[in-house]
This record gives sequence, C-alpha cells and structure tokens, in this order.
Amino acid sequence: SQKIEQNSEALNIQEGKTATLTCNYTNYSPAYLQWYRQDPGRGPVFLLLIRENEKEKRKERLKVTFDTTLKQSLFHITASQPADSATYLCALDTTYDKVIFGPGTSLSVIP
Amino acid sequence: EAGVVQSPRYKIIEKKQPVAFWCNPISGHNTLYWYLQNLGQGPELLIRYENEEAVDDSQLPKDRFSAERLKGVDSTLKIQPAELGDSAVYLCASSSEGWQSAYNEQFFGPGTRLTVL
Repeated sequence: SQKIEQNSEALNIQEGKTATLTCNYTNYSPAYLQWYRQDPGRGPVFLLLIRENEKEKRKERLKVTFDTTLKQSLFHITASQPADSATYLCALDTTYDKVIFGPGTSLSVIP
Repeated sequence: EAGVVQSPRYKIIEKKQPVAFWCNPISGHNTLYWYLQNLGQGPELLIRYENEEAVDDSQLPKDRFSAERLKGVDSTLKIQPAELGDSAVYLCASSSEGWQSAYNEQFFGPGTRLTVL
C-alpha cells in the first residue's frame, strides 16, 4: 500500500546542534516533495520544495535532500534554536494528481 | 497581504447537529483546499476547487459532508449531521497555480477546531 512515514518518535536536540528529520515513502514516484512547519493551533507553513531531479536544496539554515532511489528525503536544520521547535510535515505529489502529507515529526530544541 | 481566513476558530456541538465552516482564501488564488487533520496526523484532503469547480472530492464523505465555492472565492464546508468521529481540525488552504505547477506552495489558514459531544 502507499505510505509516507516520518520519524515516529519526537526529536529532542540541544540548541546549536543539527536536527535531521526523515521522510520515507513507498509506492509513489513524486515529481516533487515539500516540507512544511506547523506550530500548535496554527496551519502548516511552507518551507521548501525539492524536485525529483534535484539532490539538495538549501534555504538559510535549512537543507533538504531527495533520494528517489531510496525513496527518502532528509530535512536538516543547522545551528538549531528553541524557536525551531515545531512539528515538521513532509508532503509529496502522487500519480493521482494530489499532494499527500506525512504524519509529521515533533521537534523540540532544548536551550 | 492578508492570509487565509477561517471562521469560526472553535466550534463545539452535540452529535447529530449541523455545523458549517467558512474560508476566505488569499486574493487571486484560484485553487482552494479543505483538509481534515486529526491529532498527531498530517492534513488529509477532503476537497479541492479550481475556481468554482470541485476537481477532486473523492475523499469527501458525501453522505454527510458538502462544500461549495460560490463565485470562485469564499468557500463553505458543511457537516450534517455531525458524528463523534468528526471531531478534528478543519483546515482551509489556497494556492495560486493549482496542482500542475511545480511551485504549488499552499497557504493554510489557522483551522477550525471542531468538537462533537
């Protein structure tokens, strides 16, 4: 069956370290993958999009990789700050012309 | 620029009652989405509009859910009658290009938290 998985456990890291979040998928061949941030009581906010022919995309302290062979995307936050604490969602387009969201990973950056 | 506006922010109703949610997308955005989000899960698409046309409503439980987007701008999502399992956050989002664009960034509203007692 088609599935998107993200880190099943909440991620706790020390301030200043690099946070790495994982998004794995099966039975999809997405043309692109997106990452969103969601704070409690708010809607998701778009962060980055990476296309299938791109290996890596960067934006300030954020870096996303996309390995279509492994069917995996990694989302990195370097020099993490407590303000980065949130839930991070990956989303990918499917062959059925819609975007599917993963369950999200909760990140806590400890001062 | 104003973001996506949703109302109400919170709604508590008893089961079997009707409920309606309203969404005003970002000005100029042709594509509008309604999602349902359960605690600890990602948003799940209910319906997608391109202008006033519902182009994907395959996940909308049509026996009790209905939606409309008159004039291709504001949209209303209705549940009648509500069931206990409908308790969730209902998110509205909009985008400017639709699914065919490679830059299909979606802008989300704050959501409506529905509690069915």
